[in-house]
Amino acid sequence: DGGITQSPKYLFRKEGQNVTLSCEQNLNHDAMYWYRQDPGQGLRLIYYSQIVNDFQKGDIAEGYSVSREKKESFPLTVTSAQKNPTAFYLCASRPGQGGSYNEQFFGPGTRLTVL
Amino acid sequence: AQSVAQPEDQVNVAEGNPLTVKCTYSVSGNPYLFWYVQYPNRGLQFLLKYITGDNLVKGSYGFEAEFNKSQTSFHLKKPSALVSDSALYFCAVRDILESNDYKLSFGAGTTVTVRA
Repeated sequence: DGGITQSPKYLFRKEGQNVTLSCEQNLNHDAMYWYRQDPGQGLRLIYYSQIVNDFQKGDIAEGYSVSREKKESFPLTVTSAQKNPTAFYLCASRPGQGGSYNEQFFGPGTRLTVL
Repeated sequence: AQSVAQPEDQVNVAEGNPLTVKCTYSVSGNPYLFWYVQYPNRGLQFLLKYITGDNLVKGSYGFEAEFNKSQTSFHLKKPSALVSDSALYFCAVRDILESNDYKLSFGAGTTVTVRA
């Protein structure tokens, strides 16, 4: 899981609540990503950020929001507008250059359950 | 958009036997292909990648993959499977985004069970 930490590991949310998932990396990577994993569907891209103070929507951004105020941090907020938020959420990062430019490094994940 | 497909949901093998996990791809241009492994409730771990060069790519934990352009395949292989190889395996392809960054487009995953 490298130098990427995600917290909490497990998160329970009541209907109508917003929750924020933390992602921190100490790899000095430029780009960061949020993916959602559902059984039998692989991973789908929610949001990504190439540099500080800039981010773009991925394939399934509705009901989610992000910020990138620091290079090492990329928190994801799951809002009440997300209709089916129960899933496993994975944060990833990659360097801006070098031999590992094409690799994405993943954190340990946060499992979110809506009660 | 680039995509990959993993035709098998599950693969079961006996310990010591060869292990193959299949992946086919659909891309425009040259593919950048990856294999990741995931253990229960954990993040994804990088195994290997194909960018260019030799069609046989060697990776972590004794795994290798063969890039076959004519069959558009990138199958993951291990000559002698271990019980500890039991996990969920993902094939992925690099897909360029509008911002000129890229994402990984994943297959649905293949669950590998190695029995003792």
